[in-house]
Parts: sequence; C-alpha cells; structure tokens
Amino acid sequence: DSGVTQTPKHLITATGQRVTLRCSPRSGDLSVYWYQQSLDQGLQFLIQYYNGEERAKGNILERFSAQQFPDLHSELNLSSLELGDSALYFCASSVGPIAATNEKLFFGSGTQLSVL
Amino acid sequence: AQTVTQSQPEMSVQEAETVTLSCTYDTSESDYYLFWYKQPPSRQMILVIRQEAYKQQNATENRFSVNFQKAAKSFSLKISDSQLGDAAMYFCAYRSVKLIWGAGTKLIIKP
Repeated sequence: DSGVTQTPKHLITATGQRVTLRCSPRSGDLSVYWYQQSLDQGLQFLIQYYNGEERAKGNILERFSAQQFPDLHSELNLSSLELGDSALYFCASSVGPIAATNEKLFFGSGTQLSVL
Repeated sequence: AQTVTQSQPEMSVQEAETVTLSCTYDTSESDYYLFWYKQPPSRQMILVIRQEAYKQQNATENRFSVNFQKAAKSFSLKISDSQLGDAAMYFCAYRSVKLIWGAGTKLIIKP
C-alpha cells in the first residue's frame, strides 16, 4: 500500500458529462501529480500541484482542470467527456517539489474511467 | 524534447532465468534521473530502481540491476532469478523536470 488513495476506483459515464476524480496524498507529502494512462498514448503527465499551487503542467486538455485543497487532497475535473478520454487516471505524491531530484513518487491505484 | 523508447512490447522468460529489458532515451541535458517502474495486474505503479545520471556506478536492488550507458543513452533493466511475481508491465522513465515515460514492456514469466 503506497499510502496514496484514489476514489472512485471505477467510473462509467456518458459522453458530454463531467466527472471529478479525487486523490489523497500520503501523509506529509506536499506534491500531487496527475497522470493519464491510455492504451494508445501510454502514460502522460497532466499536472502537478505543490502545497496548493500549480507547479508544472503537461499535456492537460482545456476541458480538464485540477486543484489542490488546503488539506492537500486534490481533485481532477474532466468535463465535456469524449470517448477518447477513457483511460486510467493515476495520482502520485511526493514530499517535495521533486524537480531535478530523484525523490520517490508514490502512486495510487488509479481511477479507471470509461466513457460510453 | 526528451523521449523514452522501449522497443520490446513483450518479453517472456522462464522462471529462475535472467531477462533484460531495454530502454533508450534522448536528451540534451546532462543532469537527469532514470527510473524503472513496475505495474502488476493490480495497476499499482511501483518503483523498481532508479539511477542518477551523474553516477557511473550501476544501481542494484536485490535481483534487479541496471546497465546505464550514458554516452549511448541506454538504460536497461536486468532481472535475475525471475519469479512469477515479477510478471507485470515495466516502464522506463526519465526525469529532469517532468517525468517522461516509455510505452512499457509486458514481462511474462513462464513456470
């Protein structure tokens, strides 16, 4: 058990809908990262928050947004969902901001999103 | 832009044998870190081993070791004495600022 909690584990929804994925980092970790893992594009970095502030941005669509709350949990909001958004969404956490360090990332078990 | 390439979509090995998974990367930076992650059927992403680019010595973690060739930009993972529990997807990853992932190699262990 990595200590990172993601809910829900599975989510099935329809195109055009909006969903919210939740992540609770390990106790003491200030950074939260969101990744998308799809069959055709592999693992893609979406966004990172550090202590409530956006730290780095990757290949995140404008239909997607995220935030990190004062209690350090994070939510990833996906709107106007399309079939291609079906993927496994991972959250990871680390203690520090991690840039240019070998600090270890701890991953949650992911949320499997199916858009029908 | 940095890229990570895993040229073996799938590998299989007999239990107790040794297998090597390949990874190459492209970067113009001199300071970076390399990782191998394992993703078993449980989907959990688990760090297997990591290597700092400034270190010449290859990292080792029990049965897992790497062959890091900085000039060739190669970072292969060797698994010795393969066990059934090693069956998983293995991802190579590169990080300077952002973590960039390879496409993964599915490792099958034959009993």
